[in-house]
Amino acid sequence: KAGVTQTPRYLIKTRGQQVTLSCSPISGHRSVSWYQQTPGQGLQFLFEYFSETQRNKGNFPGRFSGRQFSNSRSEMNVSTLELGDSALYLCASSLETGNEQFFGPGTRLTVL
Amino acid sequence: GEDVEQSLFLSVREGDSSVINCTYTDSSSTYLYWYKQEPGAGLQLLTYIFSNMDMKQDQRLTVLLNKKDKHLSLRIADTQTGDSAIYFCAESISYSGAGSYQLTFGKGTKLSVIP
Repeated sequence: KAGVTQTPRYLIKTRGQQVTLSCSPISGHRSVSWYQQTPGQGLQFLFEYFSETQRNKGNFPGRFSGRQFSNSRSEMNVSTLELGDSALYLCASSLETGNEQFFGPGTRLTVL
Repeated sequence: GEDVEQSLFLSVREGDSSVINCTYTDSSSTYLYWYKQEPGAGLQLLTYIFSNMDMKQDQRLTVLLNKKDKHLSLRIADTQTGDSAIYFCAESISYSGAGSYQLTFGKGTKLSVIP
């Protein structure tokens, strides 16, 4: 069974731009969660989607948004990028509840 | 609030056992996890333990849970150079009663294995 895939793997943007990251969960998994990983803050929860609905949201500004499609694929968007948004963005999928989450390789975003 | 604490570094000799410790604060955690991250990679789920268990063994990995002290440990037997990585402890907490769980991670323990 294929694992979680994320595209693109690397991205370089400038301040003020916006970016969209994509995540395809493991086949059959309906819950998708997003995390931000930085050296200073570690791994922080962004949001979780299930059946195209956001069920849970972390403590991030409204510039961070996401959505989920009917095939469970998910995208996250960051608008008006700031230098501090440079991070590894990780997507994880699970069957339904968010327990036993399997992670993708991440998208490395660099904001210049 | 929830918080997960881990020591930042651990160095062991190849062939020895490694023990990585973690403390968590939320007593309502249902599952506790150990993830491994190698350089430039995502997180690999190593093992997890349900909160009503004391111990779980999976090949070279042994997880011990002391729920009273909110202490979790991961023991790696016969540590190999390929085990060098960052190990994250995480607790799973249910929010909003919507059947949704989110993971709260520690900062990670960097394990260095000396040949």
